[in-house]
Amino acid sequence: AQSVTQPDIHITVSEGASLELRCNYSYGATPYLFWYVQSPGQGLQLLLKYFSGDTLVQGIKGFEAEFKRSQSSFNLRKPSVHWSDAAEYFCAGANTGGFKTIFGAGTRLFVKA
Amino acid sequence: NAGVTQTPKFRVLKTGQSMTLLCAQDMNHEYMYWYRQDPGMGLRLIHYSVGEGTTAKGEVPDGYNVSRLKKQNFLLGLESAAPSQTSVYFCASNGGGGQVTYGYTFGSGTRLTVV
Repeated sequence: AQSVTQPDIHITVSEGASLELRCNYSYGATPYLFWYVQSPGQGLQLLLKYFSGDTLVQGIKGFEAEFKRSQSSFNLRKPSVHWSDAAEYFCAGANTGGFKTIFGAGTRLFVKA
Repeated sequence: NAGVTQTPKFRVLKTGQSMTLLCAQDMNHEYMYWYRQDPGMGLRLIHYSVGEGTTAKGEVPDGYNVSRLKKQNFLLGLESAAPSQTSVYFCASNGGGGQVTYGYTFGSGTRLTVV
């Protein structure tokens, strides 16, 4: 069955430190992959997406993600975390574009001063 | 501002009561979706629509019904609410028509409590 897995339920990083959130997918073919961010009490906002081509994709708010086919991974990174990045992050995948996207369980990011 | 609007934002129901959640989008999107979000489970697809007048079941459709009489609106109904339907409900939309190459636009959610 198709799935998206986020191994970390929560992560704490210091402000200014680098960040990497893990995501693994299980699809028959290369899926369309997405990262979303959810601030408390809000809906989800699209950070970035990967369809094909360059395996390093840039998104909004200084985030980037790297697609690694050999590891079935699509990890999200940011070089320097700001306190405003504290939120929940969802990795997601779909067979065709964004149709019927499947979401991971989410990783909550805490940022300490 | 263009986007997805959900009403209401909060609701408390008694077991057995019914209600309808409304989702409206003004981006001319073909596809619309209803998800529920529960702690530790991410978002699970309830129902979806690929265009006006169409609906289909998602991963967790039991206890819910939907309608899409107009392209811009997607309604989610609970005929007889149960405590297990306590959740946060999100509506989302995206383009449709051949290859869809961008992600969802989400509404801000409806927090439903069934007592």
